[in-house]
Amino acid sequence: ILNVEQSPQSLHVQEGDSTNFTCSFPSSNFYALHWYRWETAKSPEALFVMTLNGDEKKKGRISATLNTKEGYSYLYIKGSQPEDSATYLCAFRLDSSYKLIFGSGTRLLVRP
Amino acid sequence: DSGVTQTPKHLITATGQRVTLRCSPRSGDLSVYWYQQSLDQGLQFLIQYYNGEERAKGNILERFSAQQFPDLHSELNLSSLELGDSALYFCASSARTGPNTDTQYFGPGTRLTVL
Repeated sequence: ILNVEQSPQSLHVQEGDSTNFTCSFPSSNFYALHWYRWETAKSPEALFVMTLNGDEKKKGRISATLNTKEGYSYLYIKGSQPEDSATYLCAFRLDSSYKLIFGSGTRLLVRP
Repeated sequence: DSGVTQTPKHLITATGQRVTLRCSPRSGDLSVYWYQQSLDQGLQFLIQYYNGEERAKGNILERFSAQQFPDLHSELNLSSLELGDSALYFCASSARTGPNTDTQYFGPGTRLTVL
C-alpha cells in the first residue's frame, strides 16, 4: 500500500508569519509530485508539478522544494495572508500511469 | 474557474438507486479523471479515461462504472447505492505542462447524499 503523508494536519498562524508543511512519499518509482490548494467550497487548484530531485518552484509567496531520494517535499508560504487559508494537498504520481495518490492535506488557517 | 464543468452540483437519492454524474473537460483536454472524497478519507482516485479509452483504474467498486464519449465528456454511473457512497465526486481533466507532467484541473464536484 502506497502512502502519502502530510504534516502537520492543521496549522493556525498569524497574518505575516511564514510557514511550511511537509509531504512524504515513497522514494522508489517516483514519477512526479503535485501540490494543490483547496479552498472551502471550491475545487482543488493546481499549484506545482515537480519531477526532478532538487526541483524548486515558486508562485508569488508560495514555493516548494523536492527531494526524491529521501521522499519528501516542502511547501513554504512567506508572509501568510488570510486569503492563504485553505487545505494544501500533495499528490504522488507513481509511474507512467496517470493515477495520483493524494495525501490527506494540511489545513492552514491564517488569522488577521 | 478551471474550465471543467460537472453536473449536477448536488444529488440526493435513496439506497438501492442508480445515479449518473456528468463531467465536461476543459477545451482540448483528452484525459478525464474521477475522484471520490468521503468524509473520513482523502481524495481517492477512481478511474481515468483518455480519448474514449480507459487508461487507469483505482479502487473503483464494481457497482460503479464510467465512460468517455466521442465529444470527450464523461459520465460516472453509480448503482445499487449504499449510505457509504455519500461523498463529493470530482472530475478532473489534464493538459500537458511539460515533459512527463500532467497538471490535473478539477471541476466543482458533485455532492452525492444517499439516504
